[in-house]
Amino acid sequence: KQEVTQIPAALSVPEGENLVLNCSFTDSAIYNLQWFRQDPGKGLTSLLLIQSSQREQTSGRLNASLDKSSGRSTLYIAASQPGDSATYLCAVGDGANSKLTFGKGITLSVRP
Amino acid sequence: NAGVTQTPKFQVLKTGQSMTLQCAQDMNHEYMSWYRQDPGMGLRLIHYSVGAGITDQGEVPNGYNVSRSTTEDFPLRLLSAAPSQTSVYFCASSYSRQGVTEAFFGQGTRLTVV
Repeated sequence: KQEVTQIPAALSVPEGENLVLNCSFTDSAIYNLQWFRQDPGKGLTSLLLIQSSQREQTSGRLNASLDKSSGRSTLYIAASQPGDSATYLCAVGDGANSKLTFGKGITLSVRP
Repeated sequence: NAGVTQTPKFQVLKTGQSMTLQCAQDMNHEYMSWYRQDPGMGLRLIHYSVGAGITDQGEVPNGYNVSRSTTEDFPLRLLSAAPSQTSVYFCASSYSRQGVTEAFFGQGTRLTVV
């Protein structure tokens, strides 16, 4: 059974800092990996999608990398802003379907 | 383009009552799924569908029924609500084209069973 771990559960950083959020998974036979953002009381917003054949994806200040062999992904946020404060969720897919296994998320607080 | 729409946004039920959580998508995605999100547990898959007329169980299916008569709709039914079903429910739809699969989520339904 796939297990996805995100550590730490919470993180507080000053504005402007570059930061890395980590995600690890136990079964390297993944189809894809998605990073989501969730604001309090809201739904999930897709940030970046990495297919199993890819090593990284970039969108604006965000960069996500994938190392299947080591079972790890990182989300890099450059020049963090208070508006980046949210919970960041990592999810892995096992096939061309809608089945995702989620980590418990990292709650990020960016202090002005 | 509304994406994935869930109704209602909030609901309070009494133990033993039944209800249906609605989910509709207008992106013509073949895959749809339901998750529940509980504090400290993350999101867990309840049921999923790979197309109209085809459904299967996820990690936590007990107490829930689904059906998929159309591509657009994937309702989740609670036949006899229990306090353990108090949770936030998310519906997702996804496509798979040319080796790329991406999921999109609704805004959630916050359900309280008293």
